[in-house]
Amino acid sequence: DSGVTQTPKHLITATGQRVTLRCSPRSGDLSVYWYQQSLDQGLQFLIQYYNGEERAKGNILERFSAQQFPDLHSELNLSSLELGDSALYFCASSVEGGEPYNEQFFGPGTRLTVL
Amino acid sequence: DAKTTQPTSMDCAEGRAANLPCNHSTISGNEYVYWYRQIHSQGPQYIIHGLKNNETNEMASLIITEDRKSSTLILPHATLRDTAVYYCIVRVNSGNTPLVFGKGTRLSVIA
Repeated sequence: DSGVTQTPKHLITATGQRVTLRCSPRSGDLSVYWYQQSLDQGLQFLIQYYNGEERAKGNILERFSAQQFPDLHSELNLSSLELGDSALYFCASSVEGGEPYNEQFFGPGTRLTVL
Repeated sequence: DAKTTQPTSMDCAEGRAANLPCNHSTISGNEYVYWYRQIHSQGPQYIIHGLKNNETNEMASLIITEDRKSSTLILPHATLRDTAVYYCIVRVNSGNTPLVFGKGTRLSVIA
């Protein structure tokens, strides 16, 4: 158990719909990362938040957005869903600081299926 | 894009050492080598990281060549539970930066 929790575990929805994935980081971790893992693209970084502020952006579509709340939990919003958005979505968290605290702890993931 | 090259797959007999190679010929002086693994569809798990010296922890050993262009992750006594995809990642160690995953090596430990 990494200490990072994600809900829901599974999500099945239809094309065109909107969903929200939730992540609670480990206690004390200020950074939250979202990654997408699909069969054809592998594990890809989407976006990072640090203490409520967006810090880095990866291959995140404009239809996707995220935020980090004052209690440090984060939500990833996916809208106008397409079949190709079906994937595993992972959240990870880490402590801000130097060595050896750059390890990222991953949650169990949310499996999204778009039908 | 990932800055590392790894074999697609490897097999290892249970109880034997698993040696997973990684090439990172364009690594910069301030970049570390990180290893993560992903068991089935679970979240990736940190294994070890290093800069230029060899490193060892309770999970594995990391051997980095003197020119730092390649490294080897060693699982000293592989078990069936070590069957996973292993990712070698190069990354600066200052602050918290995203991980850039390549395709990794699928290690199958065989009884």
